[in-house]
Amino acid sequence: GENVEQHPSTLSVQEGDSAVIKCTYSDSASNYFPWYKQELGKGPQLIIDIRSNVGEKKDQRIAVTLNKTAKHFSLHITETQPEDSAVYFCAASNDYKLSFGAGTTVTVRA
Amino acid sequence: SAVISQKPSRDICQRGTSLTIQCQVDSQVTMMFWYRQQPGQSLTLIATANQGSEATYESGFVIDKFPISRPNLTFSTLTVSNMSPEDSSIYLCSVVGAGSNTEAFFGQGTRLTVV
Repeated sequence: GENVEQHPSTLSVQEGDSAVIKCTYSDSASNYFPWYKQELGKGPQLIIDIRSNVGEKKDQRIAVTLNKTAKHFSLHITETQPEDSAVYFCAASNDYKLSFGAGTTVTVRA
Repeated sequence: SAVISQKPSRDICQRGTSLTIQCQVDSQVTMMFWYRQQPGQSLTLIATANQGSEATYESGFVIDKFPISRPNLTFSTLTVSNMSPEDSSIYLCSVVGAGSNTEAFFGQGTRLTVV
């Protein structure tokens, strides 16, 4: 089955700086790579996703890149704000049955 | 995006009892899934809820422990049976939309504590 590794496990950044989270996957058949933000006591919120026929996707301050050859994908958050503090999960799938990374706890220092 | 309602949002249950969790979506979806998130951990897929037929379970999860129903395209239930404290987790419903809206969304989850 699919195995997704996520790094780092924790990330502390100064407000206004950028944050980068990296994930690798094992199954070359995976073609759907969503990212979720989870705040305390809430369900995971889809923030951006990318499919295998696209190398990069951007939505305001959030961007995701995908390198299919190397089997890794990354989340980039620019101009971080305190409300970006949360746990972020990457996931991979080829049939929407998602395999998740272990999560990254992001803390934005004011 | 689809609006997903899960009930109950949280519950405290006695060991040995069962709890049924409901997931209702406001639009037709192609796929529905159930996940478990143990305290401080990531999400693990329990099963795919298949409309009108038996659910498809992932390794480590069995129908006797986690019976699932999906009578139509917008509703599913997950039952956690014969609960033990190890079943204390957040249980999450996920859906994939129909047509061009093929993204995977999650409900708010059901926080279950077994005492």
